[in-house]
Amino acid sequence: GAVVSQHPSWVICKSGTSVKIECRSLDFQATTMFWYRQFPKQSLMLMATSNEGSKATYEQGVEKDKFLINHASLTLSTLTVTSAHPEDSSFYICSAPTEGSGSYNEQFFGPGTRLTVL
Amino acid sequence: TQLLEQSPQFLSIQEGENLTVYCNSSSVFSSLQWYRQEPGEGPVLLVTVVTGGEVKKLKRLTFQFGDARKDSSLHITAAQPGDTGLYLCAGGRGNTGKLIFGQGTTLQVKP
Repeated sequence: GAVVSQHPSWVICKSGTSVKIECRSLDFQATTMFWYRQFPKQSLMLMATSNEGSKATYEQGVEKDKFLINHASLTLSTLTVTSAHPEDSSFYICSAPTEGSGSYNEQFFGPGTRLTVL
Repeated sequence: TQLLEQSPQFLSIQEGENLTVYCNSSSVFSSLQWYRQEPGEGPVLLVTVVTGGEVKKLKRLTFQFGDARKDSSLHITAAQPGDTGLYLCAGGRGNTGKLIFGQGTTLQVKP
């Protein structure tokens, strides 16, 4: 099956710094990718849709200036958490639709990035 | 507003028992998927159902999509400790590619 990778797998940073998380589709092209955050023992919350060559679409309540998304190529999307604070600590997961999934919305998920802000 | 209500949210059973997880909505979905997630990892797709009334089996797991495509269930027969994890249902609507996730069911199977 298709593989989606994320880097780094975990990161610890000081409050006020910015952190960049990469999401790559390794063996397929993805014009769209999705970014989620997940708190312990909870479900995934969609943050934004990353679109190759255009602006990301953010879900209601997600700060665009806080979570910068760039979809630079057909295989790479990045999420930058700017001026991170402890409340931004979470598990961030990206996903990409499978090729040929049509309206099925099937997605392959990355392994996630654990962000801890001190 | 939670569009997909998943229940139960926590389930702890003994090895060998059967269980059913439910995913209900008042909205119609074009497809519904079930994922399994282990701690510190991303969700892994188990199955996709798209036709009302559809039933799919994956070894000891049976997935059903409601006739009206508003609800789904996951039944596990003779659960094993390796089934332990977070089970997520997710509904797809239209061609946006977006998925709406249920709250998740944390399953613990004790040996």
